[in-house]
Amino acid sequence: NAGVMQNPRHLVRRRGQEARLRCSPMKGHSHVYWYRQLPEEGLKFMVYLQKENIIDESGMPKERFSAEFPKEGPSILRIQQVVRGDSAAYFCASSPPNRVGETQYFGPGTRLLVL
Amino acid sequence: QQQVKQSPQSLIVQKGGISIINCAYENTAFDYFPWYQQFPGKGPALLIAIRPDVSEKKEGRFTISFNKSAKQFSLHIMDSQPGDSATYFCAAIPQHSSNTGKLIFGQGTTLQVKP
Repeated sequence: NAGVMQNPRHLVRRRGQEARLRCSPMKGHSHVYWYRQLPEEGLKFMVYLQKENIIDESGMPKERFSAEFPKEGPSILRIQQVVRGDSAAYFCASSPPNRVGETQYFGPGTRLLVL
Repeated sequence: QQQVKQSPQSLIVQKGGISIINCAYENTAFDYFPWYQQFPGKGPALLIAIRPDVSEKKEGRFTISFNKSAKQFSLHIMDSQPGDSATYFCAAIPQHSSNTGKLIFGQGTTLQVKP
């Protein structure tokens, strides 16, 4: 059973470009979380999604950031008009439907570098 | 503001020694306290977790001690090995987020176990 997959693993963007980060949860998992890890810091919660629904986006910046988890396909974290402060590692985690939240399996992360 | 404070920031231990990492929380009630282990370039992996109705939980060489009145919890790694060298994060799920699993992370402790 493959773990949580994220791609790309590394992404370089210039200021003002768009970044799209993809997350495929573990098989059978219908709950996805996104976290951001700035250098030398812990992970910060961004958003929690179920299929086709955003449940908790209290950690999402108000502008430029959006997330979706469509009925088919991976979850997408989209950052528009990136700035240097967006450089970070972005981790996705997934939970099975019967153990929401407490059992979160993390992917390897996407390292975003904004030049 | 929900916060989990973690110390020390870094720790060096000799092989066979005990590694101790401490966390404290404030201003809110939490009802689930997991610890995550992260190796360079990887995503965090769940190590061990505890609920506030239990004062101690042990799994192999890893033990969590929980002091509810002091709002503190700690991770003890007995007989530390070089393979334990990693970054360790404590985390907590707020009671009001227990049905969504929003994890609040500490800042992380980088552990180095010397042979």
